[in-house]
Amino acid sequence: KAGVTQTPRYLIKTRGQQVTLSCSPISGHRSVSWYQQTPGQGLQFLFEYFSETQRNKGNFPGRFSGRQFSNSRSEMNVSTLELGDSALYLCASSTFGTGAETQYFGPGTRLLVL
Amino acid sequence: AQTVTQSQPEMSVQEAETVTLSCTYDTSESDYYLFWYKQPPSRQMILVIRQEAYKQQNATENRFSVNFQKAAKSFSLKISDSQLGDAAMYFCAYRSLASYMRFGAGTRLTVKP
Repeated sequence: KAGVTQTPRYLIKTRGQQVTLSCSPISGHRSVSWYQQTPGQGLQFLFEYFSETQRNKGNFPGRFSGRQFSNSRSEMNVSTLELGDSALYLCASSTFGTGAETQYFGPGTRLLVL
Repeated sequence: AQTVTQSQPEMSVQEAETVTLSCTYDTSESDYYLFWYKQPPSRQMILVIRQEAYKQQNATENRFSVNFQKAAKSFSLKISDSQLGDAAMYFCAYRSLASYMRFGAGTRLTVKP
């Protein structure tokens, strides 16, 4: 099976712009989680989707949003970008998204906000 | 609150030696799952080992094993016969059935030839 894929791999944006990141889970996986990774804050949970429904949401401002499509692919959007949004954004998938399951991570999208 | 603490920001080990990475967590749940993930310089996170809290037996995966002390809320990772390819950031993670994954701050492991 192909692994989790994320596009694009690298992005450079300027403050105030918006950005959309995409994640395709492993075939058969219906749960997708998003994380932000920065040197200062480490790995922080953004949100989790299962069967097109948001199941959990982390402590991020409303500028961060996401959605999941019927084919389980997921997108996250960040509006009005700030310098502090520069980070590696990781997506992870699992079959049902239960705590018992292992999450499989994608390679990440590196976002740089100038 | 459910938190995960990795008190060792950096560790180093000589090739072929054994190293132990520490992790503690805080939770009031009785049913949960613990994970160790590895993030090599290429940045893709890879599962190293996992432990179900209801299992008393410590998990092992080849050269990797854990010491799970539920009462002490401790979950350390032991790497035996360290190899150069083990050099990476190691993250300890916790997840209960109803909540999302929480990660520790990570431990950077250097393997010296």
